[in-house]
Amino acid sequence: TQLLEQSPQFLSIQEGENLTVYCNSSSVFSSLQWYRQEPGEGPVLLVTVVTGGEVKKLKRLTFQFGDARKDSSLHITAAQPGDTGLYLCAGARYGGATNKLIFGTGTLLAVQP
Amino acid sequence: DTEVTQTPKHLVMGMTNKKSLKCEQHMGHRAMYWYKQKAKKPPELMFVYSYEKLSINESVPSRFSPECPNSSLLNLHLHALQPEDSALYLCASSQEPTGYQPQHFGDGTRLSIL
Repeated sequence: TQLLEQSPQFLSIQEGENLTVYCNSSSVFSSLQWYRQEPGEGPVLLVTVVTGGEVKKLKRLTFQFGDARKDSSLHITAAQPGDTGLYLCAGARYGGATNKLIFGTGTLLAVQP
Repeated sequence: DTEVTQTPKHLVMGMTNKKSLKCEQHMGHRAMYWYKQKAKKPPELMFVYSYEKLSINESVPSRFSPECPNSSLLNLHLHALQPEDSALYLCASSQEPTGYQPQHFGDGTRLSIL
């Protein structure tokens, strides 16, 4: 059972467009992380959100953690080809194995120049 | 540059070979992880080491054998692998063995089984 569903699964857009990636679950998470993985590399942490309703901004990227801590979103403004990659959300669950991250299903983003 | 170093970057082996993947970090992290990743899919957790002791084995076949010789090193010994084991194998570490901690990933070993 996949606990974290991401949508869309694939996204191909033109440079300069805006986009939003969603990460949804029926379970509550104590914290949620977003990673970006570029071809030939390992995932790199972008942000960690821990408080329900929290919004964090990282340059053109805006991350939000849902009030109920069951979902999160990543919004990219004016996408650039350098944003291309696999975006992964990952959560730490309440009451679950404390040293285990649950990864989302992934969103593959391609930004065309 | 990643702070978690994995070697080799690429490995091709036959189904009867024995090989090992190596992972090293010098950040003083006390948790280390092995993941398997298929193309365009999320990483799948295989093993977790907490303070050099195996704490999670996600029902991984015995042809994969992890080892943590010390707090900086993590090995994955491979024997009699199957073609379906071809994948990117990622090592990661975190400061403490909790899901709250961000994980630092290496760039992986791309494994091909002939």
